[in-house]
Amino acid sequence: DTGVSQDPRHKITKRGQNVTFRCDPISEHNRLYWYRQTLGQGPEFLTYFQNEAQLEKSRLLSDRFSAERPKGSFSTLEIQRTEQGDSAMYLCASSEGQNQPQHFGDGTRLSIL
Amino acid sequence: GEDVEQSLFLSVREGDSSVINCTYTDSSSTYLYWYKQEPGAGLQLLTYIFSNMDMKQDQRLTVLLNKKDKHLSLRIADTQTGDSAIYFCAESILGNTPLVFGKGTRLSVIA
Repeated sequence: DTGVSQDPRHKITKRGQNVTFRCDPISEHNRLYWYRQTLGQGPEFLTYFQNEAQLEKSRLLSDRFSAERPKGSFSTLEIQRTEQGDSAMYLCASSEGQNQPQHFGDGTRLSIL
Repeated sequence: GEDVEQSLFLSVREGDSSVINCTYTDSSSTYLYWYKQEPGAGLQLLTYIFSNMDMKQDQRLTVLLNKKDKHLSLRIADTQTGDSAIYFCAESILGNTPLVFGKGTRLSVIA
């Protein structure tokens, strides 16, 4: 069990650019979650998948954000036309299923210049 | 509505016990979690408790749940410098929805 893996660990980009992050969940975990964490705050939910189905999206997930989990394994989170306010740590978590604890990766820290 | 509140800072001496408190508002919460976050890292699951339990102990960690007051606490016995981190309380409504986190309590351990 290698844990939840996120790539890249850090991303620095200019405002207006598109960025994509990848998350590899723990093997055979069918639920995958994306959260965003800003400085001094707890993580805030963005969206989650059960297998390849996206079951819920937060109102925080503007139309510039899109997430996919095409084969029910790894997931990608894309942010188009990045803005200063998108600077944050993006955390991915996975769980075996309903009522099971979520295990987090180390996150991708996004900095917008 | 969902809201989780924690005090922001706690400072203890090495070897003492630490008690980190959390209150939540949603009475239908069925799972309550404690996570630890070290600088630049993700969240490490420490322990969790079902809302039909009052207490759970795991080595140096003791979780107490007061459902009537919607109050959760995490006690760390014999606190060590390696315990210095931010501790997050989180609730899961009915156990199958995304976690709602507090803002975290920064624990500083003084040698």
